[in-house]
Amino acid sequence: QKEVEQDPGPLSVPEGAIVSLNCTYSNSAFQYFMWYRQYSRKGPELLMYTYSSGNKEDGRFTAQVDKSSKYISLFIRDSQPSDSATYLCAMVGRGAGSYQLTFGKGTKLSVIP
Amino acid sequence: GAVVSQHPSRVICKSGTSVKIECRSLDFQATTMFWYRQFPKQSLMLMATSNEGSKATYEQGVEKDKFLINHASLTLSTLTVTSAHPEDSSFYICSPLGPDGNEQFFGPGTRLTVL
Repeated sequence: QKEVEQDPGPLSVPEGAIVSLNCTYSNSAFQYFMWYRQYSRKGPELLMYTYSSGNKEDGRFTAQVDKSSKYISLFIRDSQPSDSATYLCAMVGRGAGSYQLTFGKGTKLSVIP
Repeated sequence: GAVVSQHPSRVICKSGTSVKIECRSLDFQATTMFWYRQFPKQSLMLMATSNEGSKATYEQGVEKDKFLINHASLTLSTLTVTSAHPEDSSFYICSPLGPDGNEQFFGPGTRLTVL
């Protein structure tokens, strides 16, 4: 079993829809959870960063972490065509030595105007 | 956010040649640099971790003699793909660790195509 599982999609939604992106993980040592957005042929950019169970909101984006279920989500409200990208979840564990991210495979999202 | 540059952004080379990729953190000093490789429709795979002035630590399955990493200064790290082969064709991304040690920033990536 991979440490981080993420449905690769692709996911296609109409403009204005609510998007739900999800990852599950198996390593209970993971403590920090991130969501990155990656446009085609570009490096990832950090969207959200959280370390506790619960919800964290930033504009149209909400990151949700459920440590008991080892499940994280990213919700995008009022999705826009500019949100079309690949979204990667990433996690960091305590005692991992040097800071190191474990990435999900990424979910490709297309928002149709 | 921090500014990270990579050069070149795209390179096409013949099999057997060596290619050097430069990564610069433009507005902060990076003690630690991560190098990733990303194949199409795949996630980022960590290749190696380097600390300024020290030898890089390579992930299992990554040949250190093939992927030479030089982290000579706090603002510059280079990855040299030696004797490149078509299977080395990939998207290479550098990622310096931010000054507070809590966040990784990513370069824009280098698309390598080996013919």
